[in-house]
Parts: sequence; C-alpha cells; structure tokens
Amino acid sequence: EVQVVETGGGLIQPGGSLRLSCAASGFTVSSNYMSWVRQAPGKGLEWVSVMYSGGSTYYADSVKGRFTISRDNSKNTLSLQMNSLRAEDTAVYYCARYLNGYGDVWGKGTTVTVSS
Amino acid sequence: EVVMTQSPATLSVSPGERATLSCRASQSVSSNVAWYQQKPGQAPRLLIYGASTRAAGIPARFSGSGSGTEFTLTISSLQSEDFAVYYCQQCNNWPRTFGQGTKVEIK
Repeated sequence: EVQVVETGGGLIQPGGSLRLSCAASGFTVSSNYMSWVRQAPGKGLEWVSVMYSGGSTYYADSVKGRFTISRDNSKNTLSLQMNSLRAEDTAVYYCARYLNGYGDVWGKGTTVTVSS
Repeated sequence: EVVMTQSPATLSVSPGERATLSCRASQSVSSNVAWYQQKPGQAPRLLIYGASTRAAGIPARFSGSGSGTEFTLTISSLQSEDFAVYYCQQCNNWPRTFGQGTKVEIK
C-alpha cells in the first residue's frame, strides 16, 4: 500500500527546534517530489516546502531560513528540521507525495504546538 | 506570489443538488490547478488535477474546468459524504499556493 506516516510533532517553546519525519511505504521518496503542507488550527492549507527528486528544494517565505527539508534515502524518509519556532508555526503538518505536480498521497499529519 | 481566491466561503446545498465552486488566480496558472477535499480531522484528498482530470477513484459526479485564471469545481448531485471543505491549489508557480477553502454544508 502506498502511504506516508508523519511523526515528531509535539509541544515546544518559542525559539525551540523540532524535527518532523515522514516515513514512506509503497514508493521511493527519492524518486518523487515530496512536500510539507501545514494547517493552523481552524485555518486553511499552507504549502511549506518541497524537495524534488533531483534534490532541489523550495520554501515558503514564512519559513525560509528557519526550516530545512531533507531526505534519507536509506530509510526512505523525508524530514523537516524546524528551528527558531514561533507561535504562528503551530499547525498540523502534513507530508505529501506530489505526483506529476499534484498531492496524491497524504499522511494523517503530526501536530506541532509552539507555546510557553 | 499567486493568490488563489475561492468563492463562496460557504455553500449551503441540499443533498441531490448541484454545487458549483469557484477559484480565481491572481495571474495565469495555465491548467495547473488541483482541487482537494478535506473532512474534519482528515488529511486532504486529491479530487481533480490539471484543472479537469479526476484523480484515481474519484466519482464521476466531480468535475473540474477552467484555465488561465478562472477555475470551477462542480459536484453534479451532492451525496452526504461530499459535505466537506474544498481547496484549490495552483501548481504553476512557486510558492504553490492554496485558496482559502469553500465549505459545502447541508442546507
């Protein structure tokens, strides 16, 4: 079965760091365009970051310089290192495979709460 | 940044009726638009990509149209399981932006 599962969320103080992971099964992360999308409580979807199969990465302006997307080919996982966290980073973070440019496989999400 | 504006914010429809959701891009995004459905507590689900192609397993009552800056998602006969929030996303420019969503609720 093709699926992704996110882990690593939790409660973190402002200014802290957190690393999210996305474990994929049924397909190879390194052969696909993978994204992180987040959703603040009661709000809409916000695209956060992408890593292309070739390794190119892009970030939303709101996280540029603070978040880093990466992958571990040996573990078939995607990660999102989040530093200098702010209250406005509080959200459910989804990992998604973007096949042919569109998010066709999504995980259930992991919740990040930034609060003192 | 391409701004995607969805209308209306909320659509009240009776089961069996037709629902028409709109999405406007602030500049041309060709046909590089997707529609997603999201139910409470669930991840988004891809419905339509390339503006008009149904994703695998999506019922034929869902259809998409449009190109350039104007896009439409039509649900021909609403079923109980279709009451949800729908988002459009452009996949033509960075950053990949979403609309703010249209909530389809039971009338």
